[in-house]
Amino acid sequence: GAVVSQHPSWVICKSGTSVKIECRSLDFQATTMFWYRQFPKQSLMLMATSNEGSKATYEQGVEKDKFLINHASLTLSTLTVTSAHPEDSSFYICSAQLRDYSPNTGELFFGEGSRLTVL
Amino acid sequence: SQQGEEDPQALSIQEGENATMNCSYKTSINNLQWYRQNSGRGLVHLILIRSNEREKHSGRLRVTLDTSKKSSSLLITASRAADTASYFCATYRDNYGQNFVFGPGTRLSVLP
Repeated sequence: GAVVSQHPSWVICKSGTSVKIECRSLDFQATTMFWYRQFPKQSLMLMATSNEGSKATYEQGVEKDKFLINHASLTLSTLTVTSAHPEDSSFYICSAQLRDYSPNTGELFFGEGSRLTVL
Repeated sequence: SQQGEEDPQALSIQEGENATMNCSYKTSINNLQWYRQNSGRGLVHLILIRSNEREKHSGRLRVTLDTSKKSSSLLITASRAADTASYFCATYRDNYGQNFVFGPGTRLSVLP
């Protein structure tokens, strides 16, 4: 099956610094990638939808200047948490949708997640 | 209110027993998918059932979909300790703002 690689798997940073998380589709082209945030024992909360070559679409309540998303190619999307604070500590997960996605057959392919801890 | 709500939120069973998880949703959908998440990991796709299907099987998994009741169930037969994970349903709606919507999940614990 399709593989999505997410890096780093965990990161610890000081308050005020910026952290970049990468999401790569290894063996397929992903027109669309999604970024989620997940709190302990809770479901996934969609943060933004990232489309190759265009600006990301952010969900209500998600600060686009805080969470910068870049989808420069069909295989790479990045999420940068700028000026991170302890409340940004969370588990961030990306997923990718196949380029030829069909609603009748498709599925999302997920990265392994990145655990961010801001001190 | 949330699209895709699973119940129970947590389920604990003995190895060998069957586990049933339910998912309800509120709007029309194109398909419904079930995913599994091991602790601290990403999600893995288990099975997809289209809106015109009523039942689907994959190994020890059986999924049903009742569009009139806007509900789905996931049955895991002959459970194993390795099935311990969180299970999420996700509904897909084409041409809608947020295409995929995940439910809160069911945390399954299979005791050896």
